[in-house]
Amino acid sequence: GAGVSQSPSNKVTEKGKDVELRCDPISGHTALYWYRQSLGQGLEFLIYFQGNSAPDKSGLPSDRFSAERTGGSVSTLTIQRTQQEDSAVYLCASSLGPQVSVFGQGTRLTVV
Amino acid sequence: GESVGLHLPTLSVQEGDNSIINCAYSNSASDYFIWYKQESGKGPQFIIDIRSNMDKRQGQRVTVLLNKTVKHLSLQIAATQPGDSAVYFCAENIQSGTGNQFYFGTGTSLTVIP
Repeated sequence: GAGVSQSPSNKVTEKGKDVELRCDPISGHTALYWYRQSLGQGLEFLIYFQGNSAPDKSGLPSDRFSAERTGGSVSTLTIQRTQQEDSAVYLCASSLGPQVSVFGQGTRLTVV
Repeated sequence: GESVGLHLPTLSVQEGDNSIINCAYSNSASDYFIWYKQESGKGPQFIIDIRSNMDKRQGQRVTVLLNKTVKHLSLQIAATQPGDSAVYFCAENIQSGTGNQFYFGTGTSLTVIP
């Protein structure tokens, strides 16, 4: 596609439920990143994919968080047993080599 | 300017004044730097970039300065306008055996006072 697409744009879920967030990167972009942005705070790195592999998972806050990428394209970020502190905007970005990362519009997750 | 931490630094400027937003990076192996602008409710948007073999690059109303000696990056916005109000992030790119990785600063919230 023309840009990075994330879905859903908004998600409200009950505490304890699992959620799955999706990112469609720009076609051909080999690198994909997930970030989290809490209200009034900066970007928090979660995980980085190069192709289908994740060389850097250091940012995942707990074992409730996981991500996968298939076919070198779509990625899903899964949060199990959601907690209120998981409420944030989850941003995905993709890039092709050492070039500008293009961001999606984000998924706003609210855990109630 | 930006710093490691959880809360966004803030900068307020009068409309028409120049703004300077600072960023310190940590890795001397970083070879490419980008400034992003994020308006409320939107994802970060590219503003300007600079490679490590340069120390200055100019765009439309924006200038990025790179000081590799002290690992410092700055974004200068000339004649700041209300539409410039946003959060500004710097990012550094490091190439390694596993590919490219971007690291972001915390961000600086710029408010332009009409």
